[in-house]
Amino acid sequence: GQSLEQPSEVTAVEGAIVQINCTYQTSGFYGLSWYQQHDGGAPTFLSYNALDGLEETGRFSSFLSRSDSYGYLLLQELQMKDSASYFCAVSVDQTGANNLFFGTGTRLTVIP
Amino acid sequence: DAGVTQSPTHLIKTRGQQVTLRCSPKSGHDTVSWYQQALGQGPQFIFQYYEEEERQRGNFPDRFSGHQYPNYSSELNVNALLLGDSALYLCASSPQGFGANVLTFGAGSRLTVL
Repeated sequence: GQSLEQPSEVTAVEGAIVQINCTYQTSGFYGLSWYQQHDGGAPTFLSYNALDGLEETGRFSSFLSRSDSYGYLLLQELQMKDSASYFCAVSVDQTGANNLFFGTGTRLTVIP
Repeated sequence: DAGVTQSPTHLIKTRGQQVTLRCSPKSGHDTVSWYQQALGQGPQFIFQYYEEEERQRGNFPDRFSGHQYPNYSSELNVNALLLGDSALYLCASSPQGFGANVLTFGAGSRLTVL
């Protein structure tokens, strides 16, 4: 079977830094993506890691360790608008990232 | 530039009925995938269409079928609806080649089966 594990809920203070971890066990692996979804909204792409290391995009960074089957999303300088659900997703097929296996999501609450 | 558009946004059906959901991909995207998202869960891959053919399929029964048109728009059909089919159905599009790793999702069609 395939599984992705991430914390169900995280609470952090505005202006702080938060890390959301994701461990995976899948039959294939071609990359790890992160998506953000606000209540009632569409998931939106944040980052994609195919190789080990850290990718930085503004306040968000994502890390991957293929040998540990582990990745994380780092959010810095938290803002109230960052309150949302965050999903890690694994590309399990080489033919394309469209076939994504998603985790159950981490609900981030940013408090003043 | 319109992103991915889906219709209808909400609908209510009864058990045993059939439903058709529609999706227009983002301009420049030719690959469409459908996902089912139950409340409090992550999206689950249903299938993917490219060049008007189903290219990949997730672990969903044959009651779930789809179609892609020459203009890349797509439909998801679900027959013999069950209560468990109640969910948010998301359409996602992407281009081939460069940018294929980035999915653009629509806001979804929320289906309630009574």
